[in-house]
Amino acid sequence: AQKVTQAQTEISVVEKEDVTLDCVYETRDTTYYLFWYKQPPSGELVFLIRRNSFDEQNEISGRYSWNFQKSTSSFNFTITASQVVDSAVYFCALRKASGSRLTFGEGTQLTVNP
Amino acid sequence: DAMVIQNPRYQVTQFGKPVTLSCSQTLNHNVMYWYQQKSSQAPKLLFHYYDKDFNNEADTPDNFQSRRPNTSFCFLDIRSPGLGDAAMYLCATSTQGGETQYFGPGTRLLVL
Repeated sequence: AQKVTQAQTEISVVEKEDVTLDCVYETRDTTYYLFWYKQPPSGELVFLIRRNSFDEQNEISGRYSWNFQKSTSSFNFTITASQVVDSAVYFCALRKASGSRLTFGEGTQLTVNP
Repeated sequence: DAMVIQNPRYQVTQFGKPVTLSCSQTLNHNVMYWYQQKSSQAPKLLFHYYDKDFNNEADTPDNFQSRRPNTSFCFLDIRSPGLGDAAMYLCATSTQGGETQYFGPGTRLLVL
């Protein structure tokens, strides 16, 4: 069985602070994919990143960065110099290579205050 | 821009009155998904299509049905909505071998 845990239900920061959203996963599969999605108040799930299990390179995209560590089964997401527009619910998700179902974590509500 | 479109964005229906939600896509993806997302919860997969092959999740109630008349369109039919079916309904697409699902803006359903 697969499981994704986002232990932080809510995080509140002040604009320009850095913030890290934690994601821990469980799977017996050796090949799988990890994702982060952003869900602003409008409701749409916006794809942010996909990481393959065999690629542990960290990734940076503008103010966003992701740290994937198989040894600790974690795929953490850091926003540098947060902005009010970053306020949203962020979901971490897992999909095994042979399937189509996404297993979501419960989400982390990030509020960035001006 | 290629995208996933859902109509309407908001739908109000009465208890027990059938309702249909629609999803269309211009991505030409052959897999389409329907998710239900209740307040403060993660999305839950209801079913998906590989082309015309329908795949139902084991715990999806019989009250929920789906149709996919062609590659571009997929419908979610709720035969007799109950108060507990009030939720956001999200449509997503992917290529058959693709790893990433792309979501539409969702339809928020209210049952009175």
